[in-house]
Amino acid sequence: AQTVTQSQPEMSVQEAETVTLSCTYDTSESDYYLFWYKQPPSRQMILVIRQEAYKQQNATENRFSVNFQKAAKSFSLKISDSQLGDAAMYFCAYRSANGGNKLVFGAGTILRVKS
Amino acid sequence: GAGVSQSPRYKVAKRGQDVALRCDPISGHVSLFWYQQALGQGPEFLTYFQNEAQLDKSGLPSDRFFAERPEGSVSTLKIQRTQQEDSAVYLCASSLATSYNEQFFGPGTRLTVL
Repeated sequence: AQTVTQSQPEMSVQEAETVTLSCTYDTSESDYYLFWYKQPPSRQMILVIRQEAYKQQNATENRFSVNFQKAAKSFSLKISDSQLGDAAMYFCAYRSANGGNKLVFGAGTILRVKS
Repeated sequence: GAGVSQSPRYKVAKRGQDVALRCDPISGHVSLFWYQQALGQGPEFLTYFQNEAQLDKSGLPSDRFFAERPEGSVSTLKIQRTQQEDSAVYLCASSLATSYNEQFFGPGTRLTVL
C-alpha cells in the first residue's frame, strides 16, 4: 500500500518570503500522480498543483512550484512571495495511475503567514 | 457553475443513532469519492463510485457504514448505530472519469457523536 509522509506539522513564513513544505511517499508503482491540496479554515479542499510521475519537468503554477525527485520519492512544495491568503493546512497526496482512483493523503502541514 | 455540495454541514447525533449524509457532485462527473477526516489529520478514503457502481469500498471502517449512488448522481453515506469514534468531517469529492482528472471537494459534513 502507498503511504505519504509530511514531516512538518507546522511551518511559519514571513509575508513576501519563500517557504518549502516537505513530502515523501512510498510506492512500488512507476506511474502515478502527486498533488498538493490547500485546505483553508473554511474546510473546502482546493487543488494547488499536480505532477505526473512520468514527467521529469517540475510543475509550476504562478507562485507555487514543486521539486519532484522520483528516485528519492520526494515531492516538496515551494511557495514564493508568500501572502496572507496562503495561510492554510497543506496536504500532499498520491494517486495511482493504474486503475486505483483514490487519493492517499499525508497528515498535513499547517502554514502560518506572518505580516 | 455549482461545485460539489454536501448536506447537512453540521450534524450532532447521540450514540446509537443512524445518520445520513448527502453529496451532490458536479453535474457530469462520473466519479464520486467519500473520505473521512479526523480532527487535525489528512482525509482517509472510504469508498468510490463510478456512475452508480460502487467500485471500491475498501476504506469503509465497519459494516455500520454504507454508501449508495442509485442514479449515478447524488450519493448518500449512511452510518448506522453511530459511535463516538465516528466523529469526523466527511468529505465528498467528484471528478471526470480518468485518474488524471482533478477531484473537486465539497465543504464536508462535520459529524459529532455524543
